[in-house]
Amino acid sequence: AQSVTQLGSHVSVSEGALVLLRCNYSSSVPPYLFWYVQYPNQGLQLLLKYTSAATLVKGINGFEAEFKKSETSFHLTKPSAHMSDAAEYFCAVTDRNQGGKLIFGQGTELSVKP
Amino acid sequence: DAGVTQSPTHLIKTRGQQVTLRCSPKSGHDTVSWYQQALGQGPQFIFQYYEEEERQRGNFPDRFSGHQFPNYSSELNVNALLLGDSALYLCASEGTGTTDTQYFGPGTRLTVL
Repeated sequence: AQSVTQLGSHVSVSEGALVLLRCNYSSSVPPYLFWYVQYPNQGLQLLLKYTSAATLVKGINGFEAEFKKSETSFHLTKPSAHMSDAAEYFCAVTDRNQGGKLIFGQGTELSVKP
Repeated sequence: DAGVTQSPTHLIKTRGQQVTLRCSPKSGHDTVSWYQQALGQGPQFIFQYYEEEERQRGNFPDRFSGHQFPNYSSELNVNALLLGDSALYLCASEGTGTTDTQYFGPGTRLTVL
């Protein structure tokens, strides 16, 4: 069965500092991997996705993630945090051979200090 | 181009009642999935509809049912509401051949008293 683990339910960084949100996955088949962001009282917005093309994936708002099969990881990074990045971030995995069911991690809340 | 829309935005019900939530997919999308997001948790998959049929279902009881219409819009019905059904219900749509990328609506916040 597929699963996702996000390490750290809460991450706090200073404005301008590096953002690193960790995601490890478990899958018996090559997965599709996603990062979504959720602002308070809103739905989920797609940040980026990995679908077996380039292992370094660039997304919106300066975020990127690297797929590392040997480490079963898909960590999200941003070189310089902005106050507007404060939100909840979710990593998700799907098995494209079993339809579009997304399996989400528990989420990481990112706080950005001025 | 309108994205995924959901109605209503908020809903308050009492235990034992029934509720219907509605979703209109993004233009050009034909597949709709529903998720339940409890407070402080990640979304949990309820079911997915394609060509007006339930294609896949998560670990939810039969009290949760759905429907997809010919215009691809969808409804989620929950019967015999429990306090534990209080959550944000998210609808997501995707189009055939879009690399399984799901786009989410703003959600419906259901409170069961």
